[in-house]
Amino acid sequence: DIQMTQSPSAMSASVGDRVTFTCRASQGISNHLAWFQQKPGKVPKRLIYAASSLQSGVPSRFSGSGSGTEFTLTISSLQPEDFATYYCLQHNSYPLTFGGGTRVEI
Amino acid sequence: EVQLVQSGGGLVQPGGSLRLSCAASGFTLSDHYMDWVRQAPGKGLEWVGRTRNKANSYTTEYAASVKGRFTISRDDSKNSLYLQMNSLKTEDTAVYYCVRVGSGWPFDYWGQGTLVTVSS
Repeated sequence: DIQMTQSPSAMSASVGDRVTFTCRASQGISNHLAWFQQKPGKVPKRLIYAASSLQSGVPSRFSGSGSGTEFTLTISSLQPEDFATYYCLQHNSYPLTFGGGTRVEI
Repeated sequence: EVQLVQSGGGLVQPGGSLRLSCAASGFTLSDHYMDWVRQAPGKGLEWVGRTRNKANSYTTEYAASVKGRFTISRDDSKNSLYLQMNSLKTEDTAVYYCVRVGSGWPFDYWGQGTLVTVSS
């Protein structure tokens, strides 16, 4: 199985900060990676697919990059509604695997 | 508008069975791979399994943790996806989501989630 390691597991940030999260795959997954945002008690929402493609309707302050084994999600200017948990997902091979998540706190 | 509306779920004893349903609308179900994802209370997301589309003969894949106990099926004529869960264990307690794979890229649409609690 491909292991997905997210770092950090949690972080504190302020409104307006530029924040970057990392997701590392235990083996190469090309660009078969997606990023999801989940707020407490809510359904996850896809932000990025194909490692760097922005989901329709998602604000442009979100961006993704990377290929192979290392990927990043960047929020250029953190907004109050961005405080949430972020998960990466690899779908290069079965079983599909999620990272453990990065919780962004005020 | 794409919608995935889930039903089923609830409390079941260990060793019991339960079937979850997911009613799809706003798109042609037979064109899409469909998956199930779960989330144990206070934990992260876990992929459960997949049914491929009609063009790929509706074949299935499962996570090792549920293989042999869970079965994913679909009835495209009813625009519905199902998750049959047998031999349930306490560690299967989670919110279960049906999710769509859109144009080869997961998961663009999610159901609202349904809680399954396995407890005596």
